[in-house]
Amino acid sequence: AQSVTQLGSHVSVSEGALVLLRCNYSSSVPPYLFWYVQYPNQGLQLLLKYTSAATLVKGINGFEAEFKKSETSFHLTKPSAHMSDAAEYFCAVSEGNTGKLIFGQGTTLQVKP
Amino acid sequence: DSGVTQTPKHLITATGQRVTLRCSPRSGDLSVYWYQQSLDQGLQFLIQYYNGEERAKGNILERFSAQQFPDLHSELNLSSLELGDSALYFCASSSRGGGYYGYTFGSGTRLTVV
Repeated sequence: AQSVTQLGSHVSVSEGALVLLRCNYSSSVPPYLFWYVQYPNQGLQLLLKYTSAATLVKGINGFEAEFKKSETSFHLTKPSAHMSDAAEYFCAVSEGNTGKLIFGQGTTLQVKP
Repeated sequence: DSGVTQTPKHLITATGQRVTLRCSPRSGDLSVYWYQQSLDQGLQFLIQYYNGEERAKGNILERFSAQQFPDLHSELNLSSLELGDSALYFCASSSRGGGYYGYTFGSGTRLTVV
């Protein structure tokens, strides 16, 4: 069965610094992978997705993620953090034909001024 | 506005009671997914419906049930509520290829059981 592990439940960076949120997946088939962001008191919003095309995927708000099959990773990065990036980030893998998404435990990103 | 509508936004009820959460999917989406989000369990998949039929089931308690109606809206029924059922309940919808395109989430219903 597919699963997702997000390394680090809390990440703190300074404004302008590189953001790196880690995600490793387990899947017996080529995976579809997703990153979602959740702002306080809101639902989840799709940031980007990997669906077996380009391994470097660009998303909204300047985020991007790179699929590395050899490392079973799909880490999320942003070159320069903004205060508005403070939120919770979820990595997810698609399971089978149902389209069900399996989510990681989430990483809370704090951005310090 | 994501296009997925969940009502009510907040619900406070007593233990032992029954509540119904409602979800209207984004126009054109046939699949509806329900998730429970709590601090200790994270985002847990409950159940999926596709065009009125149950498609996949997760760790949904027997006290919980759901259905999708002909107009594609869905309801999640929670009965014999316990304190531990307090959580955010999200509905999401997708086109047929939800696993490929991803979901659109509603803003959730926050359930507090007292």
